[in-house]
Amino acid sequence: SQQGEEDPQALSIQEGENATMNCSYKTSINNLQWYRQNSGRGLVHLILIRSNEREKHSGRLRVTLDTSKKSSSLLITASRAADTASYFCATATTGYSTLTFGKGTMLLVSP
Amino acid sequence: KAGVTQTPRYLIKTRGQQVTLSCSPISGHRSVSWYQQTPGQGLQFLFEYFSETQRNKGNFPGRFSGRQFSNSRSEMNVSTLELGDSALYLCASSPLGYNEQFFGPGTRLTVL
Repeated sequence: SQQGEEDPQALSIQEGENATMNCSYKTSINNLQWYRQNSGRGLVHLILIRSNEREKHSGRLRVTLDTSKKSSSLLITASRAADTASYFCATATTGYSTLTFGKGTMLLVSP
Repeated sequence: KAGVTQTPRYLIKTRGQQVTLSCSPISGHRSVSWYQQTPGQGLQFLFEYFSETQRNKGNFPGRFSGRQFSNSRSEMNVSTLELGDSALYLCASSPLGYNEQFFGPGTRLTVL
């Protein structure tokens, strides 16, 4: 069953604009992760934020976590065409490997 | 380091047959997890192996099984294939089973 629900389901922007994706989840978590998937290929880990963290940065990525609202957001700044992909949030209820994924946001960045 | 590799990349089978998929984790990684991805259900966790033992199992029927060898390589088997088993099967490895997962390119299974 899906733990996370991403919003929006699809997002279309121009190069240079910022892209924001949101994720909501249902149960308590140990950490929340964001992954990218290019057209039917494997997933690439982007960033992990632990339940006791509120914000994390990695390059052009900024992730926030609000455990009181059970939600997270992923911001990609200055988007590029190469950022076109599906983005998934995944939650881990413990420190172990089982990840529960949302259905993802499809991001299209046009040149 | 070489990434996670999965073989075969594409597979076509007919209903009722069985299939075995293989995954070689990143060297040194002891945890291997399997996921099924379909357009309707999204990404769903199948099972996780750590040091040759199944540590976690998702909500899939017994037709789905797996194992892990002493070199951490893993296989998953699906018996009596159904049309609904058509999916992208993803394998992921991690050093100890914590946190970040490293995914392979997947095996695209089509059941006719």
